[in-house]
Amino acid sequence: DTEVTQTPKHLVMGMTNKKSLKCEQHMGHRAMYWYKQKAKKPPELMFVYSYEKLSINESVPSRFSPECPNSSLLNLHLHALQPEDSALYLCASSQALRGDASYEQYFGPGTRLTVT
Amino acid sequence: GDSVTQMEGPVTLSEEACLTINCTYTATGYPSLFWYVQYPGEGLQLLLKATKADDKGSNKGFEATYRKETTSFHLEKGSVQVSDSAVYFCALSSFSGGYNKLIFGAGTRLAVHP
Repeated sequence: DTEVTQTPKHLVMGMTNKKSLKCEQHMGHRAMYWYKQKAKKPPELMFVYSYEKLSINESVPSRFSPECPNSSLLNLHLHALQPEDSALYLCASSQALRGDASYEQYFGPGTRLTVT
Repeated sequence: GDSVTQMEGPVTLSEEACLTINCTYTATGYPSLFWYVQYPGEGLQLLLKATKADDKGSNKGFEATYRKETTSFHLEKGSVQVSDSAVYFCALSSFSGGYNKLIFGAGTRLAVHP
């Protein structure tokens, strides 16, 4: 099973709302990633968790708050977002963050977020 | 730093035509190379990969060969179908800054018409 699942599929939220995105994988992967993808662009890395610890934060604004409750789950908490944060948010996982560069990343279907 | 350059799209083909999407890379060290495909409204799917020079990755009729001498990883398919319409991303993974970083090209949109 090489599936990464994400919920919800679509999300519309106002600028004062608080919402969360969820991601789950059962491949035993120890690295999990959040990416942001704008239309007609490649994904941009936001955060990386390695062995449930935050390892990389690509200077993401604090209105995005990641959480890794266990080795299978990854959340992205959203608060006071701006309209320019509207995008496709992708979760991915890989066997490990360090070591063998041949480890591929498996992506979920994404959450389409619209901020009004 | 490491980078990936893909041919600009969109690429428009008729069904059963041959496809080549060019991809070149710049990297220090020995990267692994990947092609990902993104169908409309979906996430990215790994299409194929190659981890060392002269390796050929293949899947679903697509193939690409890791060419170290020309730093290229061109995607090819002999006969495209309408269902191949998607955006294709070339990517490299290299150990940089203490971790395996995946670097994407800009993506190439493919449209196949009946």
